[in-house]
Amino acid sequence: NAGVMQNPRHLVRRRGQEARLRCSPMKGHSHVYWYRQLPEEGLKFMVYLQKENIIDESGMPKERFSAEFPKEGPSILRIQQVVRGDSAAYFCASSRDQVGNEQFFGPGTRLTVL
Amino acid sequence: DQQVKQNSPSLSVQEGRISILNCDYTNSMFDYFLWYKKYPAEGPTFLISISSIKDKNEDGRFTVFLNKSAKHLSLHIVPSQPGDSAVYFCAASANNAGNMLTFGGGTRLMVKP
Repeated sequence: NAGVMQNPRHLVRRRGQEARLRCSPMKGHSHVYWYRQLPEEGLKFMVYLQKENIIDESGMPKERFSAEFPKEGPSILRIQQVVRGDSAAYFCASSRDQVGNEQFFGPGTRLTVL
Repeated sequence: DQQVKQNSPSLSVQEGRISILNCDYTNSMFDYFLWYKKYPAEGPTFLISISSIKDKNEDGRFTVFLNKSAKHLSLHIVPSQPGDSAVYFCAASANNAGNMLTFGGGTRLMVKP
């Protein structure tokens, strides 16, 4: 199965620690998106990347959050000095092209900050 | 400001009947619309999409209708099956805004046997 893969599925961090979430897009897909879902809410766009480039990070908090999609390896969403409000489900999606193509989602990483 | 709204948080339907899920949007720049289905602890699964140049798209039991003048779309599932019970999200994108999807808050569909 060449679906979108995310790991870990569950991540527990204490306040102040760092969280690293990984995403491997579907085979043949070069566009990666990160979304966050807070409890009882819909998904909110965070960042859109292509290989080695951040295309749109308009949904990303200005501090503590960063994302990358290196030439080799998975896309990484990094949250430094986590706070309780960062607790959420983080979903990665990928698509083949930019316009009019469906985004396919991974199973998500559920981050819990103690 | 919610640009995509799903005003019904939940919907209950009898097996075999039609399920109609509704979605309203405010941004006239949206030109591509999608429906996703989500089970607990899983990622959203793509169901069906529609471009703004169409008013209907059909795929098996799923049909999406788009009314651009009313800024409204709906997903029809017929006949509904118990396995359709899930949360359904409406999403929209604008060609001139890259490829980010703006999601509604979701509608929980329960199909009773």
